[in-house]
Amino acid sequence: AQSVTQPDIHITVSEGASLELRCNYSYGATPYLFWYVQSPGQGLQLLLKYFSGDTLVQGIKGFEAEFKRSQSSFNLRKPSVHWSDAAEYFCAVGRFTGGGNKLTFGTGTQLKVEL
Amino acid sequence: DAGVIQSPRHEVTEMGQEVTLRCKPISGHDYLFWYRQTMMRGLELLIYFNNNVPIDDSGMPEDRFSAKMPNASFSTLKIQPSEPRDSAVYFCASRAPGHTITGYTGELFFGEGSRLTVL
Repeated sequence: AQSVTQPDIHITVSEGASLELRCNYSYGATPYLFWYVQSPGQGLQLLLKYFSGDTLVQGIKGFEAEFKRSQSSFNLRKPSVHWSDAAEYFCAVGRFTGGGNKLTFGTGTQLKVEL
Repeated sequence: DAGVIQSPRHEVTEMGQEVTLRCKPISGHDYLFWYRQTMMRGLELLIYFNNNVPIDDSGMPEDRFSAKMPNASFSTLKIQPSEPRDSAVYFCASRAPGHTITGYTGELFFGEGSRLTVL
């Protein structure tokens, strides 16, 4: 069965500092990987996704993530965090099942940004 | 374009009452998903539909939960009778048809959720 682990429940960074959110997955084949962001009271918004090809993917809002198959990781990064980035971030792995798909989400990492 | 629309945004009800949550997916999307989010269990997939047909309901917690999709633009998630442990945020998400080569796009578009409180 597929699974996703986000080891950090809470992270606090200063505005302008760099950010890395960790994500490890377990999956028996080539995974489809996603990062979503959820602001308070809102639904989830897709930041970026990886299907194949270049292992460094760029997303919206200046975020990027790198797929490392040897480490089963898909960590999210941003070189300089803005106060508006404070939110909860979810990593997810997808499975293609004969025309459908099921996304399994991690438990999320709550990001706090100190001014 | 309008996104995924859910109603009600907030629902407070008493134990034993019937609850109906509604979802309008993005026009043209052929997959619809219902997720539940709680502090304890995170995001859980309850059920998903393809072309209005339920494909996998293995995540539905028990018989008190049911979901329907009578047409491409509307779905409901019903809880009858409701219990306090059903309190959660319920999200609906939709997805566009698959890519002609990969057969898969993967990106889900989420609604803003329905926050359910059962007293």
